[in-house]
Amino acid sequence: GAGVSQSPRYKVAKRGQDVALRCDPISGHVSLFWYQQALGQGPEFLTYFQNEAQLDKSGLPSDRFFAERPEGSVSTLKIQRTQQEDSAVFLCASRLGAGADGELFFGEGSRLTVL
Amino acid sequence: DAKTTQPPSMDCAEGRAANLPCNHSTISGNEYVYWYRQIHSQGPQYIIHGLKNNETNEMASLIITEDRKSSTLILPHATLRDTAVYYCIRLNFGNEKLTFGTGTRLTIIP
Repeated sequence: GAGVSQSPRYKVAKRGQDVALRCDPISGHVSLFWYQQALGQGPEFLTYFQNEAQLDKSGLPSDRFFAERPEGSVSTLKIQRTQQEDSAVFLCASRLGAGADGELFFGEGSRLTVL
Repeated sequence: DAKTTQPPSMDCAEGRAANLPCNHSTISGNEYVYWYRQIHSQGPQYIIHGLKNNETNEMASLIITEDRKSSTLILPHATLRDTAVYYCIRLNFGNEKLTFGTGTRLTIIP
């Protein structure tokens, strides 16, 4: 399909493991966002890319969280030494332009469970 | 923190209009009002947005009060597939990220 694609859809990790979550935005979309959604809560902003530049990473909860988008298309969110409180759905979204106006298209998310 | 206030939950009978209120009394002149919804186990979906004027599209209508302190999202003929959490969000032009609250859980009753 032509939407935002995320993989894996489900990931179970043991505490202390590193995980990598992938996002394929809609082709040509300049802006890319990562959100974290805990059970029963609204999505919370993690980080924002404009092309390959990470312009805002104010929402990343700790230095164990790292995101990249090296060629301005696919993005990877990496979580090192996972902990139980990292369990959540991680949502990726993309927008066509660089400005604030315009629709944000979300993927279906990657559900991370840390045991 | 760009906050909005929404009721935590609402019910609406199938086939009737669903009216979802949102209070954004401290909204500033360069902030849009956006509505998204999230159906269970899916990512949020864009519905509509507006600045000052009322807006309508194929999904919904957005009514913004003249003082812009509140708005109402209207789903004209609710169906069971409209059961979802609906988020009302303020978006500042200088800040590209959407800040979600906890939204309104709308349940459409058969």
